Amino acid sequence: AQSVTQLDSQVPVFEEAPVELRCNYSSSVSVYLFWYVQYPNQGLQLLLKYLSGSTLVKGINGFEAEFNKSQTSFHLRKPSVHISDTAEYFCAVSEETGYSTLTFGKGTMLLVSP
Amino acid sequence: EADIYQTPRYLVIGTGKKITLECSQTMGHDKMYWYQQDPGMELHLIHYSYGVNSTEKGDLSSESTVSRIRTEHFPLTLESARPSHTSQYLCASSEEGWSYGYTFGSGTRLTVV
Repeated sequence: AQSVTQLDSQVPVFEEAPVELRCNYSSSVSVYLFWYVQYPNQGLQLLLKYLSGSTLVKGINGFEAEFNKSQTSFHLRKPSVHISDTAEYFCAVSEETGYSTLTFGKGTMLLVSP
Repeated sequence: EADIYQTPRYLVIGTGKKITLECSQTMGHDKMYWYQQDPGMELHLIHYSYGVNSTEKGDLSSESTVSRIRTEHFPLTLESARPSHTSQYLCASSEEGWSYGYTFGSGTRLTVV
């Protein structure tokens, strides 16, 4: 079975500063990796995903993530954040099988202040 | 516009009542899921379905039940609500194959008093 660890429950950052949200996963087989964002009182929205190929994945809203198989990590980055990026971010993993479901981390709250 | 809808958005109900949380999607997705979300905790999968007449229990033990009579509809029922059921419930769906990820509804925030 797979698992996900998001190392920071909360990340405060100033507007226009860079940010990295950390995610590590555990699985005995190959995986697919996802980042979702949840704004207040809303459901989760897909930011980006890694399925195969290039380890640097670009998503919506200027976010990107890098898959590192040796470190079993999938950290999310943005070079310059905006106030509107304040939200909860969830990392998720799925095994590369047709009957696997998504396993989520506990989430990281990104707090952007002026 | 293709989407996934959950009703109600908020529900406050007394202990012992029977409730059904509705989830419908217009995308024709075969796979549907129910997750329970509590503050500071992982999203826990409580039920999922691979298609009509298919239902499976998820990782988190739950006293709820689900049904899948139509592709677009995946309701979750609690026969007798308890304060421990207070939580946010998120419904999601996905296409066949994993390249698309999940599409989530806006959630139902349930409070049992």
